[in-house]
Amino acid sequence: GQQVMQIPQYQHVQEGEDFTTYCNSSTTLSNIQWYKQRPGGHPVFLIQLVKSGEVKKQKRLTFQFGEAKKNSSLHITATQTTDVGTYFCAWYSWGKLQFGAGTQVVVTP
Amino acid sequence: ETGVTQTPRHLVMGMTNKKSLKCEQHLGHNAMYWYKQSAKKPLELMFVYNFKEQTENNSVPSRFSPECPNSSHLFLHLHTLQPEDSALYLCASSQVGQSYEQYFGPGTRLTVT
Repeated sequence: GQQVMQIPQYQHVQEGEDFTTYCNSSTTLSNIQWYKQRPGGHPVFLIQLVKSGEVKKQKRLTFQFGEAKKNSSLHITATQTTDVGTYFCAWYSWGKLQFGAGTQVVVTP
Repeated sequence: ETGVTQTPRHLVMGMTNKKSLKCEQHLGHNAMYWYKQSAKKPLELMFVYNFKEQTENNSVPSRFSPECPNSSHLFLHLHTLQPEDSALYLCASSQVGQSYEQYFGPGTRLTVT
């Protein structure tokens, strides 16, 4: 069956540094979405990627969908304390939106 | 953000109680969802309603009973819960289809004693 891994599970980042979180699938994905959940909050939609090799940017966040549509990444540059939270990738499987386990990001000043 | 609202925000209930969670969306969507989020576990989809019709029951125990009277409202009726049911219950809505994002409510933090 399909397996999707989100790595790393935890990410400690110094303020001002860059980091990347990955979502890797064993099978081709039709599209992929990214969500952010702040501590004590709820998931908030960030972006959707549909096309092979697609790259989208939102200020300091860069989202990429692999050429084979089997992996995706979220890269954050110059991390700020406002970036703290858990980032989830999500994909449709059998008509249902499935969520990855998330990458929990902690930012130290 | 007031697109999707949930009440109550916090709920403590005994194992013999009956309570209901309420969700309302003001986004004009026609699909609504219930998710369970436990500590250190991925989001678990519980129920899906498309155009008020239940299209997904993800093997949820019968002590959880959903109700969707119209496309804007969703309820989750709870009875004889177990302590392991303590979690954050999130409601979400979207347009029907596989290319749409979901909008989540703030959740109900449920504690079963």
